[in-house]
Amino acid sequence: AQKITQTQPGMFVQEKEAVTLDCTYDTSDQSYGLFWYKQPSSGEMIFLIYQGSYDEQNATEGRYSLNFQKARKSANLVISASQLGDSAMYFCAMREGNQGGKLIFGQGTELSVKP
Amino acid sequence: SAVISQKPSRDICQRGTSLTIQCQVDSQVTMMFWYRQQPGQSLTLIATANQGSEATYESGFVIDKFPISRPNLTFSTLTVSNMSPEDSSIYLCSGLRGRFYNEQFFGPGTRLTVL
Repeated sequence: AQKITQTQPGMFVQEKEAVTLDCTYDTSDQSYGLFWYKQPSSGEMIFLIYQGSYDEQNATEGRYSLNFQKARKSANLVISASQLGDSAMYFCAMREGNQGGKLIFGQGTELSVKP
Repeated sequence: SAVISQKPSRDICQRGTSLTIQCQVDSQVTMMFWYRQQPGQSLTLIATANQGSEATYESGFVIDKFPISRPNLTFSTLTVSNMSPEDSSIYLCSGLRGRFYNEQFFGPGTRLTVL
């Protein structure tokens, strides 16, 4: 079974609007971390935001926020006020327990921002 | 963000040859890793680069094919040996830092094409 599921292969959003990228995960660990990355066409992986399983508040970083619903095992990324430069692949990833730097990635969502 | 540099940024190689990729991280990074991203796919962890000792490989990856060195805290190399077209991928170096291991960054990647 997949541990990280991103059900939206592609998404479109109008510039300046908000968009939610879905991510669900599966783990039996109590301690885990959830990450979101942005990968533009250049190929680099840009770290956006992190949520720990014990964090009581949803993580926020500028225009990025993580809608963490632990009981549902979902960690959706919300991008507010979309910009043309937000067009890219977005990956959700999870680290279980004490797995160091081993991240399990979802298949990604390709976001296109329309002017 | 952590500074991670890689070289080369891209290369085109003939089958049967080997390529060594270099990764340099800043001093705040505590752990280093190598990931592979095959065309149109997500990222997969190859191995954890251990300072001064043999790397820890994930299932499906072996030292003979992907020898890794990490002679000091901030530098690591990955060699892709005896290459075949199936090795055409983006290879990314990753570094982990942060008190709670909540910051994991990636280098710009090396885009490898094997003919």
